[in-house]
Amino acid sequence: KNEVEQSPQNLTAQEGEFITINCSYSVGISALHWLQQHPGGGIVSLFMLSSGKKKHGRLIATINIQEKHSSLHITASHPRDSAVYICAVVSGNTPLVFGKGTRLSVIA
Amino acid sequence: NAGVTQTPKFRVLKTGQSMTLLCAQDMNHEYMYWYRQDPGMGLRLIHYSVGEGTTAKGEVPDGYNVSRLKKQNFLLGLESAAPSQTSVYFCASSYTTTEAFFGQGTRLTVV
Repeated sequence: KNEVEQSPQNLTAQEGEFITINCSYSVGISALHWLQQHPGGGIVSLFMLSSGKKKHGRLIATINIQEKHSSLHITASHPRDSAVYICAVVSGNTPLVFGKGTRLSVIA
Repeated sequence: NAGVTQTPKFRVLKTGQSMTLLCAQDMNHEYMYWYRQDPGMGLRLIHYSVGEGTTAKGEVPDGYNVSRLKKQNFLLGLESAAPSQTSVYFCASSYTTTEAFFGQGTRLTVV
């Protein structure tokens, strides 16, 4: 089974700061998801990537397949970015394997 | 455009009671999943289905049963609820195993 580790577990930032959340996994994958979960809310997919880098607004996701590592960056963070960010990996035909999440709080 | 709908959204059960959680999707997805989310544990797969009439065990299947009699519905049953089953339950569906569309979650408390 793929082991997915996220760091940090908790993160508090001041509004405007640049934020990085990391995800590493133990077994080769075909794709990786970054998901967002607001307090009391559902889970939505931010990115799915299998190589390189993707950008959407202030969010940037990168992946290094050789190093088995991905990062999610948030530029110019805002209190509305406060949420739990979850990394999930895809290996073959098995269901997604999830990290435990990173709880982000952005303070105004 | 409902997507994935879970019912109920909240429930309180007494120990030993039974209940069924319903997940319905309108996207014609083959794959459906039930997860539980606990503090510090992340999302853990309970059971899943790769098509109508099929089910398979996930990481934490004990104490739960599932059925997929219709393609659009995936039911999760608790025959005799225990306090350890207090959790937030998420259903998800997908065309393939490379993605997942989630419902809004069901918060279950067993007292």
